[in-house]
Amino acid sequence: EVQLVESGGGLVQPGGSLRLACAASGLTHSNYWMNWVRQAPEKGLVWVSRINSDGSITNYADSVKGRFTISRDNAKNTLYLQMNSLRAEDTAVYYCAVWGASGGWGQGTLVTVSS
Amino acid sequence: QSALTQPASVSGSPGQSIIISCTGTSSDIGAYNYVSWCQQHPGKAPKPMIYEVSNRPSGVPDRFSGSKSGNTASLTISGLQAEDEADYYCSSYTTSHTWVFGGGTKLTVL
Repeated sequence: EVQLVESGGGLVQPGGSLRLACAASGLTHSNYWMNWVRQAPEKGLVWVSRINSDGSITNYADSVKGRFTISRDNAKNTLYLQMNSLRAEDTAVYYCAVWGASGGWGQGTLVTVSS
Repeated sequence: QSALTQPASVSGSPGQSIIISCTGTSSDIGAYNYVSWCQQHPGKAPKPMIYEVSNRPSGVPDRFSGSKSGNTASLTISGLQAEDEADYYCSSYTTSHTWVFGGGTKLTVL
């Protein structure tokens, strides 16, 4: 069973940076596309970014393009999201997720952007 | 990329069947068989229920089924149970190589 555990969330000022991590176990981590999805308070799910198995292909939602960078370290079974130039509207719980037969979601990590 | 369209709420009595629709365009749902559904209870992380239109991950009851016709996907829950009460989200891969979610549907079991 896939296990995904996010970390790195917290309070950051507008314009600041934060790096999220997602530790994966229970699947052949390197064989899967991995995603970041966020959910603002009392709002729906919004897809943020994805990365392919070897990290050579990445895609982003328009709202974060140029500010966020997704990456992965298959040796450490860990997915990352580097978030720069953070804005108040980036405040959300951030989930890492894998879709498919062995899919799963992490428990999420809260990012709050506020002065 | 605009969000997929889901009804804000649906309801049903225990034992009944309900259908949640998810409408997109020819650039997302209509373009690929990559439609997923997840369930989210209040304060909890989402749980995958359906992937690739109609496939269930292991452990998901066969009361949950998915389908697609044209630009619209559907999630059917038969034999409704109290624990099915939750928010449900559809998502689809798009021709822009991104994913898009629906706005979510709140299921109430009466």
